[in-house]
Amino acid sequence: DAGVTQSPTHLIKTRGQQVTLRCSPKSGHDTVSWYQQALGQGPQFIFQYYEEEERQRGNFPDRFSGHQFPNYSSELNVNALLLGDSALYLCASSPKTGGETQYFGPGTRLLVL
Amino acid sequence: AQSVTQPDIHITVSEGASLELRCNYSYGATPYLFWYVQSPGQGLQLLLKYFSGDTLVQGIKGFEAEFKRSQSSFNLRKPSVHWSDAAEYFCAGGNSNSGYALNFGKGTSLLVTP
Repeated sequence: DAGVTQSPTHLIKTRGQQVTLRCSPKSGHDTVSWYQQALGQGPQFIFQYYEEEERQRGNFPDRFSGHQFPNYSSELNVNALLLGDSALYLCASSPKTGGETQYFGPGTRLLVL
Repeated sequence: AQSVTQPDIHITVSEGASLELRCNYSYGATPYLFWYVQSPGQGLQLLLKYFSGDTLVQGIKGFEAEFKRSQSSFNLRKPSVHWSDAAEYFCAGGNSNSGYALNFGKGTSLLVTP
């Protein structure tokens, strides 16, 4: 049973560029959440997608946007990258039943130069 | 504000010794609480979770945690630590008021000495 997968594993971008990160949820899960983890910090909630809609959003600017596809996979897009966007981006999936429990992927390490 | 706090940034224990990592929560309504572990450069692995019922919950890798409402705590314990337990540990929580977002503590880094 495959867990949550994310791609790419690492990414280097320059300020002002745009980036797209991808996530495939655990089998049987239909909900995807995204978190940003800065170095030495706990993860911070960005948003959650369910039924292809953004269901809840954390305190992140509109430069952060997402999408969920009919197969429940998801993308996180960040526009106009800032140096402060450098972080580990974690995707988590959860099932329709017992959806409070989130299972995390390995993350994508983004470095903005 | 709803939050989770981990008072200890670093903890060092000897291999074979017992371990307790502290987590305090601040939620109006009954929270659901989790402990996750993160190895360097890796994602988060769920160790255990609490929603309601029995206040002592068992998890994977020999970990357990106890929910204490009177102390607003959810401390993680292990009777005998192995060198492979060295990692970053995160407590996380949420409740019906926070919606679907998990609030994470800043983490506790565990070092295991021979």
